[in-house]
Amino acid sequence: GQQLNQSPQSMFIQEGEDVSMNCTSSSIFNTWLWYKQDPGEGPVLLIALYKAGELTSNGRLTAQFGITRKDSFLNISASIPSDVGIYFCAGYNFNKFYFGSGTKLNVKP
Amino acid sequence: GAVVSQHPSWVICKSGTSVKIECRSLDFQATTMFWYRQFPKQSLMLMATSNEGSKATYEQGVEKDKFLINHASLTLSTLTVTSAHPEDSSFYICSAETSGGTDTQYFGPGTRLTVL
Repeated sequence: GQQLNQSPQSMFIQEGEDVSMNCTSSSIFNTWLWYKQDPGEGPVLLIALYKAGELTSNGRLTAQFGITRKDSFLNISASIPSDVGIYFCAGYNFNKFYFGSGTKLNVKP
Repeated sequence: GAVVSQHPSWVICKSGTSVKIECRSLDFQATTMFWYRQFPKQSLMLMATSNEGSKATYEQGVEKDKFLINHASLTLSTLTVTSAHPEDSSFYICSAETSGGTDTQYFGPGTRLTVL
């Protein structure tokens, strides 16, 4: 089946630093989505990307839909303690969503 | 917009009982809803895809008689865990897909099920 490889698995950074994480796949996707999940809660949509090459920002977050349609990255600038959580990428194709394994972000004040 | 609610948010039940979890799209109509299960420190595992007015499509390895799904309207899908056992304890999350070509899904807050 289609799988997404998300990296890194976890990150420990200092408040104020920038963060980058990415997802790659051997398959092409029509849509890339990035979610954040806090403990005990459902994932919250951060950014949705619908076109190859698309670069979209949401506050301090920026995500890009790779030109090959097989990858996407998420950047967080000037991280703050509330950025702590698990970030998931998701690809959509053939009426199905596929999820990465998540990137756990830890931010030290 | 695009708010999905889930009820209950947590439930504790005895082994052998059945538990029903509701998933509602509050401000949009969702022809397709998804049910996921999430184990601690793991990603989301798709259990089934629920389409309004038709039978759910279950992923391989998910027992359809164990996890009954009903998508009675464009805003409500229910998951019933029948004859629950301790190994069914988990975090269950639903999501709803917006229509109109956006191919985006929004998640509910999840339901923590503990079976004693």
